[in-house]
Amino acid sequence: GAVVSQHPSRVICKSGTSVKIECRSLDFQATTMFWYRQFPKQSLMLMATSNEGSKATYEQGVEKDKFLINHASLTLSTLTVTSAHPEDSSFYICSAPANPGGSPDTQYFGPGTRLTVL
Amino acid sequence: QKEVEQNSGPLSVPEGAIASLNCTYSDRGSQSFFWYRQYSGKSPELIMSIYSNGDKEDGRFTAQLNKASQYVSLLIRDSQPSDSATYLCAVTLDSSYKLIFGSGTRLLVRP
Repeated sequence: GAVVSQHPSRVICKSGTSVKIECRSLDFQATTMFWYRQFPKQSLMLMATSNEGSKATYEQGVEKDKFLINHASLTLSTLTVTSAHPEDSSFYICSAPANPGGSPDTQYFGPGTRLTVL
Repeated sequence: QKEVEQNSGPLSVPEGAIASLNCTYSDRGSQSFFWYRQYSGKSPELIMSIYSNGDKEDGRFTAQLNKASQYVSLLIRDSQPSDSATYLCAVTLDSSYKLIFGSGTRLLVRP
């Protein structure tokens, strides 16, 4: 099946710093990617939809100035957590449909990035 | 009211038994329904998808959908200890790929 990678897999940073997380589709082009966040023992919550060549669409309650999304190419989306604070510590997961317009079965998840803000 | 609800568990079953996982959703317009398995510290992996009322079987897994009752379930036959994980129910509200997840049910299969 299609592969989505994320980098880094784990990051620890100090409060107030910014952290960039990359999501890449390795063997297909993704005009759309999704960013989810998962707090411990909670479910995945959709944060935003990343669109190649246009602005990201953010879900209600997600601060677009804090979570900057750039869909630089058809295989790369980045999420930057600006001025990170301990409450931003979470598991960030991206996903990408391998077959736009096709079955939703063809959405693939990255392995996730564990962010810990001290 | 949460859009997708699941019992958090844990659901504990002995090896070889049938595990039954349930999910209800609030939006009647929900179009697609999915079961994902998530091991601790890992991202979700798709187990089953179902789009129309009835049953869908794939190996040891059977998904059941009842749109009138807004209910979707997953049966795991011959449960194995390796099935121990959190099972996430997810729906899409439209033709997009945006998934709305339930909070997950933790399944524990006892050897």
